[in-house]
Amino acid sequence: DAGVIQSPRHEVTEMGQEVTLRCKPISGHDYLFWYRQTMMRGLELLIYFNNNVPIDDSGMPEDRFSAKMPNASFSTLKIQPSEPRDSAVYFCASSLYIATNEKLFFGSGTQLSVL
Amino acid sequence: SQQGEEDPQALSIQEGENATMNCSYKTSINNLQWYRQNSGRGLVHLILIRSNEREKHSGRLRVTLDTSKKSSSLLITASRAADTASYFCATDSWGKLQFGAGTQVVVTP
Repeated sequence: DAGVIQSPRHEVTEMGQEVTLRCKPISGHDYLFWYRQTMMRGLELLIYFNNNVPIDDSGMPEDRFSAKMPNASFSTLKIQPSEPRDSAVYFCASSLYIATNEKLFFGSGTQLSVL
Repeated sequence: SQQGEEDPQALSIQEGENATMNCSYKTSINNLQWYRQNSGRGLVHLILIRSNEREKHSGRLRVTLDTSKKSSSLLITASRAADTASYFCATDSWGKLQFGAGTQVVVTP
């Protein structure tokens, strides 16, 4: 298996533009997580899915952020409109079982810069 | 808010030396995990220790857990330049895995 695949690897956009980040989890994993990493706040859990259903989105910072998982092999995180403070590295991770009892597999991340 | 806090924030050692970092957390846990992150990459799982375990080994890694003190330590023995990375502890909180701020380790040849 190729692991968790994220795209794009880097994204530079202007304030106000829509940004879509993509993730393909490891096949067979039932859980998918979106994290955001910044120097100031470290790694923050934004949202996670179980069997394509959003379970907890309490970490999503604002209504500008939305996430979907239309099928077991694909998820998106969308920011509309984007703001400079959204600049961060966004990671997608997946696990076979609930993360608290199972290790997470992380993608390589998307470095987002909002100018 | 972060559940786990690593100490020290940064650590610089020479190849062959041991590296020890600590993690303190606030609430009861089911297990604690350690991850490594190389610069510009995603996190990689190193080891998971359950709340009823006190010590666990994996290769050159040794993890201890003291639930009474709400703390864990990660020891890397005989460090190598390739161990240069940030190391994070992660604890479960209300069903979610939360990460500390990390310890940045630099191993110089």
